Order: sequence, then C-alpha cells, then structure tokens
Amino acid sequence: GDSVTQMEGPVTLSEEAFLTINCTYTATGYPSLFWYVQYPGEGLQLLLKATKADDKGSNKGFEATYRKETTSFHLEKGSVQVSDSAVYFCARASGGSYIPTFGRGTSLIVHP
Amino acid sequence: EAQVTQNPRYLITVTGKKLTVTCSQNMNHEYMSWYRQDPGLGLRQIYYSMNVEVTDKGDVPEGYKVSRKEKRNFPLILESPSPNQTSLYFCASRGDKNIQYFGAGTRLSVL
Repeated sequence: GDSVTQMEGPVTLSEEAFLTINCTYTATGYPSLFWYVQYPGEGLQLLLKATKADDKGSNKGFEATYRKETTSFHLEKGSVQVSDSAVYFCARASGGSYIPTFGRGTSLIVHP
Repeated sequence: EAQVTQNPRYLITVTGKKLTVTCSQNMNHEYMSWYRQDPGLGLRQIYYSMNVEVTDKGDVPEGYKVSRKEKRNFPLILESPSPNQTSLYFCASRGDKNIQYFGAGTRLSVL
C-alpha cells in the first residue's frame, strides 16, 4: 500500500543551524505531498504542500521540493530557531478519496 | 474562526466504561477522520467519513465506533475501553486542496 518514510528523530540542532528532514513516498498515482507541524500540546497544522512534480512548497522559512525522480519531499530550513522545536510529519494523498498517509513524525529540538 | 473542536481534552477512565469523544467542525467539510498517535508509531487512522451517514474503517478500527448523523459532528465511541486504547486522539476534517485541519487532541488514559 501507500506509505511515507521519514528519518527517525530526534533531530537536535543549535539555533541558526541548517535543517534537513528526509521524506520519501510511494509513487502510486499522482500524490499531493504535505508537511505538517505539531507544536507541543497542540494538534497538527499544515506547514506547506506541493501538488505536482518540481513544485516547491514554502512557509515560515521552510521549503520542500516535490522530486518525482527520487520520490522525495525533503524539508529544509536555512536557519532554525528555538521556536521551530516541534514534531514534523510528512504526508501524501492521492486517488479519488484522497485519504492521507502520514509518516511517523520527526521530532526537532533546537537549543539556544 | 475556522476550527475543529474536540472534547474532552483529557480523560481518565476505567476498563469497560463506555465513553464518547466529541468532534465538531465549523467549516462545512464533508470528509472527517479520527487518528490515534502513539510513540514510535506516528499517526494511525481509526475511522473516516466521506459524508453524512458514510463511514469506513481506517487502519486500526478495532474497539472503536463512529457515527456521522450531521455534517459538522463526528463522535468517536469506545464501547468497552481497554488499557491498550490509552493514547492521544485527534479528529480532523479535510478542506480545499486536500488540506487536513486537526483538533487540539484528546489524551485518554484507560486504567
């Protein structure tokens, strides 16, 4: 079945470091791809999305590019802040019902 | 304000005592779903609903029931809770461009 694989966490960085969180997906259908973020004590909220190959989603300094050739949607940020500490989920959705499939989540901890 | 509202936020109960977690959305979304979040397992879908009176099983439906009598409400029912249902539960609805909107979560402990 459809799946999304994320790198295991936690990822621990110092403030202003460069961030990459890897995500790969199964390529059946023509999925839309998403990154959601979950701050402590809250529900998930959409961070960014891309709907077709080579699209780049961006928000709050985060970016991810839909790479069809490598079936990847890696999340990047040039300079992380303490306030970016959260759990990040990669997700895909496709097909007539667009039922989403989520990765297991990657915890990011940013130290001052 | 567009939102998905879950209640209660925290619940401690005992094995076998029926409980209901309510979920309501004010965005007129047709698609709603329930997830549970467990350490190391991420989000797993319990049930989903494509519209009123249309529900279907997700990946982990055992021990749960749902109903969708109105578009805005999608309650999760545990008829006879067991300790392995101790988890963090999220309700979500799906809007335009297939974006999911999540509630703040319900932390359930079954003793």
